[in-house]
Amino acid sequence: EIVLTQSPGTLSLSPGERATLSCGASLSVGSSYLAWYQQKPGLAPRLLIYDGSKRAVGIPDRFSASGSGTDFTLTITRLEPEDFAVYYCQQYSNSPRTFGQGTKVEIK
Amino acid sequence: QLQLQESGPGLVKPSQTLSLTCTVSGGSIRSGSFYWSWIRQPAGKGLEWIGRIYTSGSTDYNPSLRSRGTISLDTSKNQFSLNLRSVTAADTAVYYCVREGVAAPALIWGQGTMVTVSS
Repeated sequence: EIVLTQSPGTLSLSPGERATLSCGASLSVGSSYLAWYQQKPGLAPRLLIYDGSKRAVGIPDRFSASGSGTDFTLTITRLEPEDFAVYYCQQYSNSPRTFGQGTKVEIK
Repeated sequence: QLQLQESGPGLVKPSQTLSLTCTVSGGSIRSGSFYWSWIRQPAGKGLEWIGRIYTSGSTDYNPSLRSRGTISLDTSKNQFSLNLRSVTAADTAVYYCVREGVAAPALIWGQGTMVTVSS
């Protein structure tokens, strides 16, 4: 099983600032099959990024991601009020598909 | 537009079986090459992938369930289901049904249904 570790646990930032979230894998994630999701309270997660760096349909370009192997990063260039949420990474190269524990981006 | 909707009891007694159904609308559960999967989330905690069933009927489960889970397809009703046996309080969570690609993450999610395990 691939264990994903996200850091930091909580990120306290102001609107307009840049957010950098990390996701580390215990084993190499094949084909960069890594996704990022955003989840707001009471709602299902929303897919932001797939295949390590590709934005899902309708996702604004302030969201970008990079990485390969065991180290991945999600960047939000300028935080909008609606971006304050919890973010999860997930690998889908191996079964079971596993998630990181999440990073909460909160308003400072 | 494909939509998923979970249904089932909101309260299950310990040691009993949790049974949930996901109804697929706006498309056929038989079309394409997709996994029909279940993911859960305890209150205030992270996401856990439970397992999946392919359109062919083959299944795959998270070993953390210790063989308690069964996922099945009912193509006549355009539904798939989760049965989780011998539940404990640790199985209390919001359960989501999702559609995953073979080499793609879950793009389509149900709204989730809360299941509490308690006597």
